[in-house]
Amino acid sequence: NAGVMQNPRHLVRRRGQEARLRCSPMKGHSHVYWYRQLPEEGLKFMVYLQKENIIDESGMPKERFSAEFPKEGPSILRIQQVVRGDSAAYFCASSPVQGASTEAFFGQGTRLTVV
Amino acid sequence: GQQLNQSPQSMFIQEGEDVSMNCTSSSIFNTWLWYKQDPGEGPVLLIALYKAGELTSNGRLTAQFGITRKDSFLNISASIPSDVGIYFCAGQSVGNQFYFGTGTSLTVIP
Repeated sequence: NAGVMQNPRHLVRRRGQEARLRCSPMKGHSHVYWYRQLPEEGLKFMVYLQKENIIDESGMPKERFSAEFPKEGPSILRIQQVVRGDSAAYFCASSPVQGASTEAFFGQGTRLTVV
Repeated sequence: GQQLNQSPQSMFIQEGEDVSMNCTSSSIFNTWLWYKQDPGEGPVLLIALYKAGELTSNGRLTAQFGITRKDSFLNISASIPSDVGIYFCAGQSVGNQFYFGTGTSLTVIP
């Protein structure tokens, strides 16, 4: 059973370009969470998605950032018109069915560098 | 979002010493989780706790889910160099959201 897969591991974008980060949850997991981590800091919640639904996006900037988790395929975190301040590690976690005490498992992250 | 207070922020210990870190919250949680993150990697789940008062061990690691459901601690016994890393606590709310502590950076001196 493969773990949470994120790609790419490293992404370099010029200011103004778009960044697309992908996350394939563990098999059987229908809930995905995205977190952002700056160097020497903790994990900051961005968005919580279920298949085809955004459950909680309270941690996501209102502009330039969007996330989706389609019925088929990976979850995508999209950052439009990137700026230097978007440089960070972005982690995805997945968990199984809602309503029970469960665990969240993380991918290895995508390290975005904006130059 | 919810705030989890994790302490200490950093620890420098001699190899062989025991380590203790804890996490407190202003809200109750259904689940407490402890993770370790190595540089350049994603957090790896160490221990999961599901019931208030539960005490769980995983090798040299022991963690407890506080009776009030608002706190948890993690102990590492007889530390070794590979224990170095950042440890995060996380709580799962009734809304199935996971909130993370600010991390404890552990350095083990051989």
